[in-house]
Amino acid sequence: DIVMTQTPLSSPVTLGQPASISCRSSQSLVHSDGNTYLSWLQQRPGQPPRLLIYKISNRFSGVPDRFSGSGAGTDFTLKISRVEAEDVGVYYCMQTTQFPLTFGGGTKVEIK
Amino acid sequence: EVQLVESGGGLVQPGGSLRLSCAGSGFTFSNYVMNWVRQAPGKGLEWVSFISSSGTTIYYADSVEGRFTISRDNDKNSLYLQMNSLRAEDTAVYYCARGRRPPDYWGQGTLVTVSS
Repeated sequence: DIVMTQTPLSSPVTLGQPASISCRSSQSLVHSDGNTYLSWLQQRPGQPPRLLIYKISNRFSGVPDRFSGSGAGTDFTLKISRVEAEDVGVYYCMQTTQFPLTFGGGTKVEIK
Repeated sequence: EVQLVESGGGLVQPGGSLRLSCAGSGFTFSNYVMNWVRQAPGKGLEWVSFISSSGTTIYYADSVEGRFTISRDNDKNSLYLQMNSLRAEDTAVYYCARGRRPPDYWGQGTLVTVSS
């Protein structure tokens, strides 16, 4: 199974300041079709997960452009350019390159 | 608007059974693969099972293999999860999620509690 490791566990951020979350996979997420199936999900308190980013850097429908994804191979990053109050929650990376689908342990973004 | 609505959760004793349902609307259900993903209280996300659009391809997590059965009825726009031999560690909110790479829409979830 592919193990997904996220850092940090928690990220206290001042409103309007940037935040960055890292995700590392135990093996390359490059699929034989050439795509890298690494996604980012947001889970606000009391809510289900919501897709933010797919295939490393593509924003899903309705996702603000302050969210961006980058990386390649086994190392990936989610950045929030200017954190807003509604961004509070837990963020998960997820690989869908192969079964079983696996998630990072989550990073809690909170306001200082 | 894409909607996924889970139902069927509740309190069940260890060793018992439960059947979860997920009703899809706002999209052509038969065109999409589907997944079940669960989240234990205060914990992270764990993928449980996948079913192809026609139902012919199915995968399970090792933790539920042999105990859970995923199925779908495209005429009823519905996804199911039959859970047998339930254990305390199966206690979680169970989400259905549409799509494969990646799952793009998620339901609100249904809580399953396994306890005596």
